[in-house]
Amino acid sequence: DTAVSQTPKYLVTQMGNDKSIKCEQNLGHDTMYWYKQDSKKFLKIMFSYNNKELIINETVPNRFSPKSPDKAHLNLHINSLELGDSAVYFCASSQAGGTEYFGPGTRLTVL
Amino acid sequence: QKEVEQDPGPLSVPEGAIVSLNCTYSNSAFQYFMWYRQYSRKGPELLMYTYSSGNKEDGRFTAQVDKSSKYISLFIRDSQPSDSATYLCAMSEGSSNTGKLIFGQGTTLQVKP
Repeated sequence: DTAVSQTPKYLVTQMGNDKSIKCEQNLGHDTMYWYKQDSKKFLKIMFSYNNKELIINETVPNRFSPKSPDKAHLNLHINSLELGDSAVYFCASSQAGGTEYFGPGTRLTVL
Repeated sequence: QKEVEQDPGPLSVPEGAIVSLNCTYSNSAFQYFMWYRQYSRKGPELLMYTYSSGNKEDGRFTAQVDKSSKYISLFIRDSQPSDSATYLCAMSEGSSNTGKLIFGQGTTLQVKP
């Protein structure tokens, strides 16, 4: 009965590789988000989708591409991974006017 | 200067102490104020949610918002070791899907038995 789930939980990869992180929510929410949390625990929004439509797109390198196949899923694909991409990536969801519920995070390490 | 400033700590207190966590912000358009708790290697979970100025109490937790001073606080009474976590303040101009959340850096709290 997990509300917001992400896979994988841990991801270790080499520089230059392409990887994807998947997110699913079973709360019936219409808005989903991707956040990046750096080593100093600073949490910053990257993208937001409402009903599969991109509504927030922060200053993120275009190597990062979100994809929302339906309201319950928001995946994040990262091309040409760099050392600075190492962080914990959190997916979140909310209903209109409601609060955000976060997933458990994906810890990405780029070697 | 960051939009939201929060002392990262760490803050260490004995069990039973009253804890005060604070954030300051620069954007006067913020109207929604939240406190999230994040345990180690877990996702943030919402603790308190306040709209505009005022106080809100929930059990041992009290959130205060002073918009005139651009200052928000979270008080934890009778702190417990299970309160040991990172506490993140967050705020937005609009509701969740119209205004993005801006987070503080988080304050790491340790409550010692």
